[in-house]
Amino acid sequence: AQKITQTQPGMFVQEKEAVTLDCTYDTSDPSYGLFWYKQPSSGEMIFLIYQGSYDQQNATEGRYSLNFQKARKSANLVISASQLGDSAMYFCAMREVFSGGYNKLIFGAGTRLAVHP
Amino acid sequence: NAGVTQTPKFQVLKTGQSMTLQCAQDMNHNSMYWYRQDPGMGLRLIYYSASEGTTDKGEVPNGYNVSRLNKREFSLRLESAAPSQTSVYFCASSEARNNEQFFGPGTRLTVL
Repeated sequence: AQKITQTQPGMFVQEKEAVTLDCTYDTSDPSYGLFWYKQPSSGEMIFLIYQGSYDQQNATEGRYSLNFQKARKSANLVISASQLGDSAMYFCAMREVFSGGYNKLIFGAGTRLAVHP
Repeated sequence: NAGVTQTPKFQVLKTGQSMTLQCAQDMNHNSMYWYRQDPGMGLRLIYYSASEGTTDKGEVPNGYNVSRLNKREFSLRLESAAPSQTSVYFCASSEARNNEQFFGPGTRLTVL
């Protein structure tokens, strides 16, 4: 069975500092993908960053980077230079790929990040 | 380009009532999904449709039915609503394989 674990129910960070949100996963599939989504208080799910299991380099998207440690099965999200607008719920998710090419996501329980001025 | 749209945004039902949640996407994606999100939890997959004409159960399908009406539309039906189905429901779509899933704005459903 596949599983995503986010061990930090809540985190806080000072504005302009960096913060790391933890995510560990469990899968026996050699091919998988890892996603981070942001859910602000308005409720929508916003895609942030993606890492494929075969990608050699860690993914980066602007202020977001993914610290991918395959041997440890961890895919931590690093947000640099935090902004007040980063206050939100953050979900780690793992993609399971089926024959035929379609995929489904398994989500962690989320981490609530609060950015303090 | 609206992306993924869901109707209604909010709904209150009484136990035993039925309703259908509508979802449509205009990105020509093959795969569509229905999730539910309960307080303090991540999203859990209810049903998915890998392509037009196919549907399959996810983690929590009991009490729900789905219809993939065409490539654009994927509806979720509650035949006899129960208080345990009070949740926020998200529809999502994706192209096959490597692309991320795009989510609709969600439907907040309360069953009394």
